[in-house]
Amino acid sequence: GAVVSQHPSWVICKSGTSVKIECRSLDFQATTMFWYRQFPKQSLMLMATSNEGSKATYEQGVEKDKFLINHASLTLSTLTVTSAHPEDSSFYICSARDLGGRVDEQFFGPGTRLTVL
Amino acid sequence: AQRVTQPEKLLSVFKGAPVELKCNYSYSGSPELFWYVQYSRQRLQLLLRHISRESIKGFTADLNKGETSFHLKKPFAQEEDSAMYYCALKDSGGSNYKLTFGKGTLLTVNP
Repeated sequence: GAVVSQHPSWVICKSGTSVKIECRSLDFQATTMFWYRQFPKQSLMLMATSNEGSKATYEQGVEKDKFLINHASLTLSTLTVTSAHPEDSSFYICSARDLGGRVDEQFFGPGTRLTVL
Repeated sequence: AQRVTQPEKLLSVFKGAPVELKCNYSYSGSPELFWYVQYSRQRLQLLLRHISRESIKGFTADLNKGETSFHLKKPFAQEEDSAMYYCALKDSGGSNYKLTFGKGTLLTVNP
């Protein structure tokens, strides 16, 4: 089946530094990937939609200069948290849309735990 | 704006008992609804979608447009069903397959 990976699975960084998270579709091409944020014991909140070869579409309230998204290839999207602060600590999950499968479906990565000290 | 409501944060049942996880939605168009499941230490995965009208792992869900509900049901719960369940609504107005998730219900099936 379709597999989505994320790297790293967890990261700890100092306040003020930038962190890059990668999302890869391993066995299918994904023209669209999504980035979510999940706070403890809460639901997934869509941050942005990443389209290959074009600018990401951010949800209301998400700072595009803070959360930089690049989708340079059909199998890779990256999320860079710039000048991270403790309030950015969260679980970040990506998903990729598989249009080539039997049904149009979104497959999720395992998530990345970010802790900003 | 579309919204998905799962009124129960926690649901605990005994093995063999029926289980129903509630989901209500608010959407102006024709909804497409899904149930996702997240087992302990695993990633989110699709359980079922309403357009497929299928039963997965004994679970079924029927879309009730009159009540704007999409409750997930299983007649006889098993311990391995213990997981976090999310109801989700697809934004069919766009072309990017955006999903809006409910807050989730943690199901615990006791032996």
